[in-house]
Amino acid sequence: GQSLEQPSEVTAVEGAIVQINCTYQTSGFYGLSWYQQHDGGAPTFLSYNALDGLEETGRFSSFLSRSDSYGYLLLQELQMKDSASYFCAVRDKDNQGGKLIFGQGTELSVKP
Amino acid sequence: GAGVSQSPSNKVTEKGKDVELRCDPISGHTALYWYRQSLGQGLEFLIYFQGNSAPDKSGLPSDRFSAERTGGSVSTLTIQRTQQEDSAVYLCASRARGVDEQFFGPGTRLTVL
Repeated sequence: GQSLEQPSEVTAVEGAIVQINCTYQTSGFYGLSWYQQHDGGAPTFLSYNALDGLEETGRFSSFLSRSDSYGYLLLQELQMKDSASYFCAVRDKDNQGGKLIFGQGTELSVKP
Repeated sequence: GAGVSQSPSNKVTEKGKDVELRCDPISGHTALYWYRQSLGQGLEFLIYFQGNSAPDKSGLPSDRFSAERTGGSVSTLTIQRTQQEDSAVYLCASRARGVDEQFFGPGTRLTVL
């Protein structure tokens, strides 16, 4: 089976940098995704890493190390609107359909 | 519209009743997924459609849950004889071929009294 672990809560101040870690255990591995979900809202896609290394999209970056079964989401220049839950999700290698297995989510609180 | 839509947005029902939840995916998206999210939890996979067929139903929690998709578009998730533990937000997502991003709808909040 698959399992993912990420911290349940993180607090940071406006303008700071925060890193949300995700470790996973899967029988196979295809890629690691990150989704953002504001309270009461739909999850929205942030990034996808299939290969080792860093992917950068504006203030957000995502990193993957396949050998360590580890990834992280890096948020820079934090803004109040970044307060949300962040989920890592694994697409299993044997899963041709692309279904995602989600972690429990990290609730990020950005303080002024 | 341009996004995934779901209806109803909220559904309150009595234990033992049947409910139907609807999902309209983004036009042209061949893959469709149903997930369930309990309060403060991650998303739990229920079922995946490719076109009108469901090659992966492994997440359906019991035989009270079923889903269908018609015309490669609209999907309906049916829960029969609802139980209180079925209370959750039911999310639908669609994905275009060859792309990893899933686009989620706003969800249906189901409350079973």
